Amino acid sequence: KQEVTQIPAALSVPEGENLVLNCSFTDSAIYNLQWFRQDPGKGLTSLLLIQSSQREQTSGRLNASLDKSSGRSTLYIAASQPGDSATYLCAVKLGNAGNMLTFGGGTRLMVKP
Amino acid sequence: DGGITQSPKYLFRKEGQNVTLSCEQNLNHDAMYWYRQDPGQGLRLIYYSQIVNDFQKGDIAEGYSVSREKKESFPLTVTSAQKNPTAFYLCASRDGAGANVLTFGAGSRLTVL
Repeated sequence: KQEVTQIPAALSVPEGENLVLNCSFTDSAIYNLQWFRQDPGKGLTSLLLIQSSQREQTSGRLNASLDKSSGRSTLYIAASQPGDSATYLCAVKLGNAGNMLTFGGGTRLMVKP
Repeated sequence: DGGITQSPKYLFRKEGQNVTLSCEQNLNHDAMYWYRQDPGQGLRLIYYSQIVNDFQKGDIAEGYSVSREKKESFPLTVTSAQKNPTAFYLCASRDGAGANVLTFGAGSRLTVL
């Protein structure tokens, strides 16, 4: 069974710092990996999706990388801002159909002004 | 604007009562999902549906029921058989083609009194 782990569970950094969030998964035969942002009491917003054939995806100050062989993905946030404070979750999809999406527990990020 | 609408946002229930959470999407997505989120944890799949009039159990389906009579709608009923129903419930849908991105609603918070 696929297991997804996110470390650290919580992170506090000063504004302007570059930071890396980690996501590891046990089954490397994934179809894609998606990073989400969740604000308190709200739904999830998709940030980046990386297909299994891709190594990385970029959107603005965000860069997500994927290393299937080692079972890892990282989300890099450049020049962090207080507005980046949220919980970040990664989710791994094993196949192209159905329910095979497994979520990590999330990293709760606080960026202090 | 296309999106997913969940209602109600907050719901209180007495023990022994069934409640139904609404999920409506106008994204023309075939697949729809219900997840449960507990504090500090990742999302767990309750039920999913890939097509109208068909749905499948997820990892924690006991005590829940769903229907999919229309493409746009995927209501979730939390029955009295669910022993610990207090949680945050998230509905999502997925486009079957293209980017295969999962899109979420804003969530419904259920509290059992």
